[in-house]
Amino acid sequence: GENVEQHPSTLSVQEGDSAVIKCTYSDSASNYFPWYKQELGKRPQLIIDIRSNVGEKKDQRIAVTLNKTAKHFSLHITETQPEDSAVYFCAAVNDYKLSFGAGTTVTVRA
Amino acid sequence: SAVISQKPSRDICQRGTSLTIQCQVDSQVTMMFWYRQQPGQSLTLIATANQGSEATYESGFVIDKFPISRPNLTFSTLTVSNMSPEDSSIYLCSVAENTEAFFGQGTRLTVV
Repeated sequence: GENVEQHPSTLSVQEGDSAVIKCTYSDSASNYFPWYKQELGKRPQLIIDIRSNVGEKKDQRIAVTLNKTAKHFSLHITETQPEDSAVYFCAAVNDYKLSFGAGTTVTVRA
Repeated sequence: SAVISQKPSRDICQRGTSLTIQCQVDSQVTMMFWYRQQPGQSLTLIATANQGSEATYESGFVIDKFPISRPNLTFSTLTVSNMSPEDSSIYLCSVAENTEAFFGQGTRLTVV
């Protein structure tokens, strides 16, 4: 099955700085890569996604890049704000089933 | 996007008992899934709930422990059977639409 690795496990950044989270996957058949943000006590919420025919996608302060050859994808958050503090999960999707990374706890210091 | 109602939102149960979690979707969906999120961990797929047939379980999960029903395209249940403290987790149902996944609000289960 699919194996998704995510790094780092924790990330502390100063407000206004950028945060980068990296993931790798193992199954070349995976074709959709969503990112989820989970605040304490709440369900995961989709924040951005990218499909296998696209290399980069941006939505305001959030961007995701995908390198299918190397089987890795990354989340970039610019101009971080305190409300960006949460756990972020990457996932790789194959046949509608999600395989999640272990998660990154992001803390934005004011 | 689909609106998913999951209940109960939380429960505290005695070991050895069973709990059934319900997931109701406001529209017909083909793909429904059940995930488990253990404390401080990521989400792990338990099974795919198939309408009209037996669920498809992932490695490490068995029907006797996690029986699943899917009587129609808008509803599914997950039962956690013969519970032990190790079953304390958040259980989430999920639906897939156009490859995107949406989650219910989760059921926080504590087994004492």
